[in-house]
Amino acid sequence: QKEVEQDPGPLSVPEGAIVSLNCTYSNSAFQYFMWYRQYSRKGPELLMYTYSSGNKEDGRFTAQVDKSSKYISLFIRDSQPSDSATYLCAMSVGGGSSNTGKLIFGQGTTLQVKP
Amino acid sequence: NAGVMQNPRHLVRRRGQEARLRCSPMKGHSHVYWYRQLPEEGLKFMVYLQKENIIDESGMPKERFSAEFPKEGPSILRIQQVVRGDSAAYFCASSPGRAANYGYTFGSGTRLTVV
Repeated sequence: QKEVEQDPGPLSVPEGAIVSLNCTYSNSAFQYFMWYRQYSRKGPELLMYTYSSGNKEDGRFTAQVDKSSKYISLFIRDSQPSDSATYLCAMSVGGGSSNTGKLIFGQGTTLQVKP
Repeated sequence: NAGVMQNPRHLVRRRGQEARLRCSPMKGHSHVYWYRQLPEEGLKFMVYLQKENIIDESGMPKERFSAEFPKEGPSILRIQQVVRGDSAAYFCASSPGRAANYGYTFGSGTRLTVV
């Protein structure tokens, strides 16, 4: 079983739709949760990070973490064709001298927003 | 203020040759991470370095792969005697400290093709 599971998609939605992207994980020690966006042939770009459980909002993007269910989500409101990319969740245990900075990534979900 | 610089962007090597991938971190960043992305897979951690020190190499294959981050100059990921299975995108990231809690900045990657 992978530490982080993410449905690879592809996910295709019409412009303006609300998009929901999700990851589940098995390691209860994860404390920091991130979402990256990766355009084709480019490096990953950090979109959002969240510590522990809760919600965080930034413009059209909302990240949610439910540690009790080991489940994280990214919502994109009013999706645009420019949002078409691969979205990767990532997480780390964080904190303390044992923190080596290693991120564990999901497989990535490919999103296509059609005009 | 340049971001994380990786070169070359594309590298073609014949089986058995050596590949050298270079990464210059963002200005002021002294922590470097290397990740590998195989086709249709997420990013996999390889190694975490600080200047002149390897902090965590738990993701590095036991043979043929090595990494360094000298006092002066870029970080180097070296793959000796490359095989077709080494074909992948290799991404470097940097941070000013053990900032994995908040994610870090990736470069655009080096795409290695072994023929």
